[in-house]
Amino acid sequence: AQKITQTQPGMFVQEKEAVTLDCTYDTSDPSYGLFWYKQPSSGEMIFLIYQGSYDQQNATEGRYSLNFQKARKSANLVISASQLGDSAMYFCAMRETRSGGSNYKLTFGKGTLLTVNP
Amino acid sequence: DVKVTQSSRYLVKRTGEKVFLECVQDMDHENMFWYRQDPGLGLRLIYFSYDVKMKEKGDIPEGYSVSREKKERFSLILESASTNQTSMYLCASDRGGAGPKWADTQYFGPGTRLTVL
Repeated sequence: AQKITQTQPGMFVQEKEAVTLDCTYDTSDPSYGLFWYKQPSSGEMIFLIYQGSYDQQNATEGRYSLNFQKARKSANLVISASQLGDSAMYFCAMRETRSGGSNYKLTFGKGTLLTVNP
Repeated sequence: DVKVTQSSRYLVKRTGEKVFLECVQDMDHENMFWYRQDPGLGLRLIYFSYDVKMKEKGDIPEGYSVSREKKERFSLILESASTNQTSMYLCASDRGGAGPKWADTQYFGPGTRLTVL
């Protein structure tokens, strides 16, 4: 089973509107972190926002917020007031608690390509 | 701000060549990582290092080796490049040390697009 599922290969949004990018995850660990990254066509992976499994409140970072629903194992990214520069691939990723080396790893979803239309 | 730099944005090599990809971070991070990114396969961890001279294999280490002689620098080595190693290579680092690892944010470099002919 996939650890991180992003069901939307592509999304379109009009400039200045809000958009939600979906992410569901699968883990049996009580402690884990969820991350969202943006990858423009230039290739760099840019960190956007983090949510810890014990955090009571949804994370926010400027125009980005994370809609964290722990019981449903979902961590959707909400981008408010979309801008043309938001056009990029967006990746959801998870870091779990495991013994040994594998807890160092980020597990990524396949990504969602967001296009912002003028 | 965390700064992770990679030695080349684009690289073209021939089959059988020895290839070095260099990564440098300026935030005194303990952990450094090498991933490769391929369409349809996403990001996969090749190797990581949690201290100078310390390394561990990731999910796809075959055909690669790494070197970490200094804390800030982590090199990925393709001993004999092959066409199936044509890919985007991303270096990352995080704070590491004590504390919950699942809460550490990994910061990435700009990536190196490697083509092996």
